[in-house]
Amino acid sequence: EDKVVQSPLSLVVHEGDTVTLNCSYEVTNFRSLLWYKQEKKAPTFLFMLTSSGIEKKSGRLSSILDKKELFSILNITATQTGDSAVYLCAVRNQGGKLIFGQGTELSVKP
Amino acid sequence: DAGVIQSPRHEVTEMGQEVTLRCKPISGHNSLFWYRQTMMRGLELLIYFNNNVPIDDSGMPEDRFSAKMPNASFSTLKIQPSEPRDSAVYFCASSFRAGGETQYFGPGTRLLVL
Repeated sequence: EDKVVQSPLSLVVHEGDTVTLNCSYEVTNFRSLLWYKQEKKAPTFLFMLTSSGIEKKSGRLSSILDKKELFSILNITATQTGDSAVYLCAVRNQGGKLIFGQGTELSVKP
Repeated sequence: DAGVIQSPRHEVTEMGQEVTLRCKPISGHNSLFWYRQTMMRGLELLIYFNNNVPIDDSGMPEDRFSAKMPNASFSTLKIQPSEPRDSAVYFCASSFRAGGETQYFGPGTRLLVL
């Protein structure tokens, strides 16, 4: 059965800290891995990764995929209170189906 | 440019009643996805359509749930009869194509079944 596992499930840090969120997966016919940020509303897209070893970067956020070891990490540097959210990892199979992890709840304290 | 539109945004109903959730995907997108999110189970894919045709409905919990996509700009998710355990946030998402593009989520419908 396809599955996506995220860790940690929750994390509390202080502003300015750097955090690393983990996502491991077992999916047949892997196509891509996506990261979403969800505040108190719908998930919003962050990154889509398809190739190993190529870092995607957007401001203080970056992500990388390891297709050999079947995992991805999402890094956030110099965290701010506005980064507080649930971060969702999802893996897409060839058919287009997205399988979501349970999410990591990040809380950034001032 | 309008995103995915869902209605209603909130729905409160009594057990046994029929509930219909509506979704308008982003214009030009030809794949549409229905998700359910609860605290216990997280975000789950219920069903998705490609070019208005249901491709995978293996996530639909049981026969009380049905989904249709009569045309490229409209889809419905129906629950009949509804039960308290159906209470959740239901998201609709669309993408340009099912296999390789980012999915964009609507604001969700928060359903409470009493």
